Amino acid sequence: GAVVSQHPSRVICKSGTSVKIECRSLDFQATTMFWYRQFPKQSLMLMATSNEGSKATYEQGVEKDKFLINHASLTLSTLTVTSAHPEDSSFYICSAKPSERVYEQYFGPGTRLTVT
Amino acid sequence: GENVEQHPSTLSVQEGDSAVIKCTYSDSASNYFPWYKQELGKGPQLIIDIRSNVGEKKDQRIAVTLNKTAKHFSLHITETQPEDSAVYFCAAHSGSARQLTFGSGTQLTVLP
Repeated sequence: GAVVSQHPSRVICKSGTSVKIECRSLDFQATTMFWYRQFPKQSLMLMATSNEGSKATYEQGVEKDKFLINHASLTLSTLTVTSAHPEDSSFYICSAKPSERVYEQYFGPGTRLTVT
Repeated sequence: GENVEQHPSTLSVQEGDSAVIKCTYSDSASNYFPWYKQELGKGPQLIIDIRSNVGEKKDQRIAVTLNKTAKHFSLHITETQPEDSAVYFCAAHSGSARQLTFGSGTQLTVLP
């Protein structure tokens, strides 16, 4: 149980284009999902907290207009990187908190974004 | 806000030996402490967690201990195997912050 999927696992896009990453909780409902960014050999950096049916809460320094988050259902959250630039290249990971749990988070497998 | 420090940053052990990774936290209100294992190119996997009302929890070869007074918790892996090689992250959850704060990670290498 507690499986989270992400799609795509890898994506290469040209500078200036937009990329959408999907995060799905496969066997549980998740009122809250989180989006993280991870640089090589570093820890996870929280970008935003996504709550179903409401606007996402972004961490300080994260551009909300560049990283659009939508959490339209209890099993799906999407992250769209708009007007991507090479510096947006990174490993993006989502996590989901089961609605009935207070603390536990389960992570997806991650998406490797490369902007050329 | 919460601050989590993790040591060591790298750890090499011989297969069959034990490995211990330690974390300290700053927010006395934190009450949930998970450990995640991350293999190269993959997302973190929850391997064990502990709540603040428990001092120790064990699951086969993995155990976690919590000292609330000293505000530190540790991951213990016994009888290590090469497949235990990965990056391990500790985290702390403060109810007020409603999110996890992660340590910096420990690269564990189990030498055959």
